[in-house]
Amino acid sequence: DQQVKQNSPSLSVQEGRISILNCDYTNSMFDYFLWYKKYPAEGPTFLISISSIKDKNEDGRFTVFLNKSAKHLSLHIVPSQPGDSAVYFCAVPFTSGTYKYIFGTGTRLKVLA
Amino acid sequence: KAGVTQTPRYLIKTRGQQVTLSCSPISGHRSVSWYQQTPGQGLQFLFEYFSETQRNKGNFPGRFSGRQFSNSRSEMNVSTLELGDSALYLCASRLAAITNTGELFFGEGSRLTVL
Repeated sequence: DQQVKQNSPSLSVQEGRISILNCDYTNSMFDYFLWYKKYPAEGPTFLISISSIKDKNEDGRFTVFLNKSAKHLSLHIVPSQPGDSAVYFCAVPFTSGTYKYIFGTGTRLKVLA
Repeated sequence: KAGVTQTPRYLIKTRGQQVTLSCSPISGHRSVSWYQQTPGQGLQFLFEYFSETQRNKGNFPGRFSGRQFSNSRSEMNVSTLELGDSALYLCASRLAAITNTGELFFGEGSRLTVL
């Protein structure tokens, strides 16, 4: 049972345009969300996070939006750059007495120059 | 400061063999967790250790095991390797121990190929 879903395995965007990556979750108890970026042959690196007390968090070109009623979050990258081409994972710490992070299956973003 | 270090980076084994992977967390981080990444499956949680104790285990068979040493370094072992164990094994360390938030810091992974 996949509690965190990224339904788009891949996305291609022109350089300079907006990239929107989506993530859906099933458990309304989730209260903290993270996005990670992963380049080939490297480990994932933390990008941005959001707490459920907010509906938006911004860091430079990256903004994460959280819609709790829809159990949906999205990562916006504006403007997109070729160096943003990577696999993006959304992740949720599982807080019900255990200590693991649940990751989505990832979206491969390709930014075309 | 040094990041999370995993060794070896690449290894090839044959079915039935066993493998041990090593992870050194960021200095001061006492929580170490392991994830398996396969194509199309995202990152699947294997287990997490804190202060030499396994706090949680993912849905993997008993062939997968791990441990943590007093210096927070961790090892994971896979016995009786199967072809389906071919994957990227990622180690992550975390500073926060009480709360369950905060970012994970990942190593570059150990790429295991089982022939």
